[in-house]
Amino acid sequence: GAGVSQSPRYKVAKRGQDVALRCDPISGHVSLFWYQQALGQGPEFLTYFQNEAQLDKSGLPSDRFFAERPEGSVSTLKIQRTQQEDSAVYLCASSLRGLYGNEQFFGPGTRLTVL
Amino acid sequence: DAKTTQPNSMESNEEEPVHLPCNHSTISGTDYIHWYRQLPSQGPEYVIHGLTSNVNNRMASLAIAEDRKSSTLILHRATLRDAAVYYCILRDTTAGGTSYGKLTFGQGTILTVHP
Repeated sequence: GAGVSQSPRYKVAKRGQDVALRCDPISGHVSLFWYQQALGQGPEFLTYFQNEAQLDKSGLPSDRFFAERPEGSVSTLKIQRTQQEDSAVYLCASSLRGLYGNEQFFGPGTRLTVL
Repeated sequence: DAKTTQPNSMESNEEEPVHLPCNHSTISGTDYIHWYRQLPSQGPEYVIHGLTSNVNNRMASLAIAEDRKSSTLILHRATLRDAAVYYCILRDTTAGGTSYGKLTFGQGTILTVHP
């Protein structure tokens, strides 16, 4: 079956450009998470959606980061005016239900390089 | 989420068992112990989880100490495809908690498997 997909897989941006990263979760999964993984580090939580509601955005590093999931399925993570420190792999994960109940299924990630 | 401590790296030979330790001395009664692994250039994938009793699945076994302050992930016969970073994570299962099941990754253990 189809897993979590992310696009693009690689993105190179010049400093100051806006980027949009897409996540297609597993169909029917209520919960959607975004994580940021710097080189050599473990992933760090950015934000969480339950259906279309963004219930936790405490991990977003600045107001340049914005995420949405308008119809409760596909999600987009947008970064405005990218900076070099935004270079990382951005991972999306989905799970069947919210809270603690289920394992998270991760996509392959989008590797963002800001020059 | 409570903190976990893992060795930075471990090595194993192919077809030998591997025991990956994790210390979590501040674990609370409502924390589940989860293990995820991340193969090179991929998103993390779920391995196993448990609360108090030892657990087995097709991928691995999880041995949990009686006081729950430590656990060990056991790969019974390591293969080259098991070379990955292994993360031990505590997830708060308190109903109504605000963690929403987000995963708090540490540095993990880099497992190298030699042919």
